[in-house]
Amino acid sequence: GQNIDQPTEMTATEGAIVQINCTYQTSGFNGLFWYQQHAGEAPTFLSYNVLDGLEEKGRFSSFLSRSKGYSYLLLKELQMKDSASYLCAVTDSNYQLIWGAGTKLIIKP
Amino acid sequence: GAVVSQHPSWVICKSGTSVKIECRSLDFQATTMFWYRQFPKQSLMLMATSNEGSKATYEQGVEKDKFLINHASLTLSTLTVTSAHPEDSSFYICSARTLAGGNYEQYFGPGTRLTVT
Repeated sequence: GQNIDQPTEMTATEGAIVQINCTYQTSGFNGLFWYQQHAGEAPTFLSYNVLDGLEEKGRFSSFLSRSKGYSYLLLKELQMKDSASYLCAVTDSNYQLIWGAGTKLIIKP
Repeated sequence: GAVVSQHPSWVICKSGTSVKIECRSLDFQATTMFWYRQFPKQSLMLMATSNEGSKATYEQGVEKDKFLINHASLTLSTLTVTSAHPEDSSFYICSARTLAGGNYEQYFGPGTRLTVT
């Protein structure tokens, strides 16, 4: 079966750094996405990785290791507005998105 | 670029009535559109995938006669919830995919909150 695992909830402090991990087992792999979703809103795109390595985009970075079926999203200089759910999703061999359950990130002052 | 709109943003209807939700890609042609449902504090659940001009592919457990999907053009897909019941109350989100750039990114609409009384 296809499976994506990420922690249910994480807590971090404003100004700090947090890493959200995602492991996956899918039939084929055509890329991994990270989305941010605030409560009551639709997801918004954060990053896309298809090759191994680190992609940096401002305060957010995403890492991928295809051999390990592993990715992480790194958020630096945390702000209160970063409190949201972070969804990991993998495109499988049929180019369908397989979604993780999401990680709820709570930022404390 | 890559903006997806949904209409209405929220709707309240009585049990037994039908509700239509529109999803439009405003500045690109969407080869595929997806319909998701999300219950409070849960992740997105894919309901169906539709390609322009062909019948939608429904996920297991989703009743195709209850959730009618029409994808008549490359910029418009509609979801009709027929004979809605209170358990259909949820957040419905559409997304559209373009193959441009080869990354198969999905662009999400803002969602429609349906409340059935």
